[in-house]
Amino acid sequence: EVQLMESGGGLVQPGGSLRLSCAASGFNFHAYAMHWVRHTPEKGLEYISAISNDAVYKSHADSVKGRFTVSRDNSKNTLFLQMDSLRPEDTGMYYCAKGVAPGPRTHFDYWGQGTLVSVSS
Amino acid sequence: DIQMTQSPSSLSASVGDRVTISCRASQRISRYLNWYQYKAGKAPKVLIDSASNLQSGVPSRFSGSGSGTDFTLTITSLEPEDFATYYCQQSFTTPGSFGPGTRVDVK
Repeated sequence: EVQLMESGGGLVQPGGSLRLSCAASGFNFHAYAMHWVRHTPEKGLEYISAISNDAVYKSHADSVKGRFTVSRDNSKNTLFLQMDSLRPEDTGMYYCAKGVAPGPRTHFDYWGQGTLVSVSS
Repeated sequence: DIQMTQSPSSLSASVGDRVTISCRASQRISRYLNWYQYKAGKAPKVLIDSASNLQSGVPSRFSGSGSGTDFTLTITSLEPEDFATYYCQQSFTTPGSFGPGTRVDVK
């Protein structure tokens, strides 16, 4: 059974940092691209970051470019999102999602339950 | 980046109604269009990929159509569990942008 478990969310002040993790199990993690998507009441679902199976290709939405960095450790079946210079508008539920191919241009067939990030003073 | 729009932004419907949601891309995306269902507090669920490919386990009352820039999600007969927000998402380029969502609520 495919499982994705996010962790690392919490309350942080503007300008602060958080590192999200997504522990994967039940599939060959090294074979698939992985993604981060967030949900906010204001914007709905927003695509944040993508990383290819081998981590050669990475992309980030303009709204987080230069502040967020996606990475992965295939030896530990774990996806990461380093979030720096956080802003109040980054507040939301962050989901990791599994792609269906090594490259990032696919839909997402499995999602975690999310981890909540709150940026406030 | 490719911008996605959806219409309507919300609609009210009754069980048994036929529901149609439209999605438009700001440039041609072939059939790289996916539909997701979102319920608060739950993980999003993919319904359709590649514009019209129904995911395993998704009821056949859901269908998708379109190519290029204009796409449609249809629910032929709304069931109680279908009240949710629906998002289209393009996977033609990365980042694979989402539409703003269409909320389907009870009339």
